[in-house]
Amino acid sequence: GAVVSQHPSRVICKSGTSVKIECRSLDFQATTMFWYRQFPKQSLMLMATSNEGSKATYEQGVEKDKFLINHASLTLSTLTVTSAHPEDSSFYICSARVGGSYNSPLHFGNGTRLTVT
Amino acid sequence: KQEVTQIPAALSVPEGENLVLNCSFTDSAIYNLQWFRQDPGKGLTSLLLIQSSQREQTSGRLNASLDKSSGRSTLYIAASQPGDSATYLCAVRRGGADGLTFGKGTHLIIQP
Repeated sequence: GAVVSQHPSRVICKSGTSVKIECRSLDFQATTMFWYRQFPKQSLMLMATSNEGSKATYEQGVEKDKFLINHASLTLSTLTVTSAHPEDSSFYICSARVGGSYNSPLHFGNGTRLTVT
Repeated sequence: KQEVTQIPAALSVPEGENLVLNCSFTDSAIYNLQWFRQDPGKGLTSLLLIQSSQREQTSGRLNASLDKSSGRSTLYIAASQPGDSATYLCAVRRGGADGLTFGKGTHLIIQP
């Protein structure tokens, strides 16, 4: 089955630093990847849609200059949290769609638990 | 704006019981609906995907139904086992190119 690998699984950083999270599709090409975050006891919320070779599309209320997304290849998308603050502490998770098939299920990575101190 | 609600928020039942998890969504114009399970500290595992034109999907002991016009889906788990303990998430996709809108999930505990 389709596998999405996300790294790191956990990261603790100091306020003001930047953190990069990687999302890789291991056995398929992902033209589109999605980034979500989940605060405690809340539902997963879509942050942005990342398309290979083009700029990401951000959901309303998500700062594109703070959450930098790069999707330079068909198997890798990265999310960089710039100048992280404690309120950015959350569970971040990516998902990918196999190729260009809209009817395919979305596959998820294992997520990254970010703690900003 | 699409809103997805899952009921109940938590459920604890003895092993062997059949159970039903409910999901409702406010905008019936969906492309498809997907059920996931999430284990503590882990990512999401896709369980079933129902296209908007379908009424149900089955995989092993799991059966998911979709009533798009009324904005509802159910996940039926037969002969529950302790290994089924997890949080079950329902999510809908507005269009083929769109991401998912999730409910808050049902936290399920199956007692041995």
